[in-house]
Amino acid sequence: KQEVTQIPAALSVPEGENLVLNCSFTDSAIYNLQWFRQDPGKGLTSLLLIQSSQREQTSGRLNASLDKSSGRSTLYIAASQPGDSATYLCAVRNAGNMLTFGGGTRLMVKP
Amino acid sequence: GAVVSQHPSRVICKSGTSVKIECRSLDFQATTMFWYRQFPKKSLMLMATSNEGSKATYEQGVEKDKFLINHASLTLSTLTVTSAHPEDSSFYICSAREQGGHNEQFFGPGTRLTVL
Repeated sequence: KQEVTQIPAALSVPEGENLVLNCSFTDSAIYNLQWFRQDPGKGLTSLLLIQSSQREQTSGRLNASLDKSSGRSTLYIAASQPGDSATYLCAVRNAGNMLTFGGGTRLMVKP
Repeated sequence: GAVVSQHPSRVICKSGTSVKIECRSLDFQATTMFWYRQFPKKSLMLMATSNEGSKATYEQGVEKDKFLINHASLTLSTLTVTSAHPEDSSFYICSAREQGGHNEQFFGPGTRLTVL
């Protein structure tokens, strides 16, 4: 059974810092990996989708990497802003086409 | 990206009543829709997967008679919480996967259910 772990569970940084969120998964036979953002009381916004054959994806200040063989992905946020404060969820899709979510990292960027 | 809507966004009801939540894919056709439940400060828990025109597949521990799912068209799925009780209070999120797409799932804004 696929298990997805996100570290740290919570993170507080001052504005302007570059930061890295970590995601690990136990079964490397994945189809793709997705990073989402969730604001309090809201649904999920897809940030980046990395196919299993890819090593990274970039969107603006966000860069996500994937090392499938070691079961790891990182989300890099450059020059963090207070508006980046949210919960970030990592999810992997396995061959059965189901998404398995990590527990999330709650990020607080202080002005 | 593709848009998924949910209605209502928030509902408060009395114990024993039934509540229906709608999930719509607005600009794409979704052969598969998913219903998740999320407890405070926790991640999403998959409740069931529904394919258009078929019966939903429920995850272990989810009562299918309690949570009725209908996926009658390629753009609409409904979740009905029957005879709701306070322990059913939660945040319910639906998701839709585009037909013929890259297997990316798009999520609705969620519905906050409070059962008094």
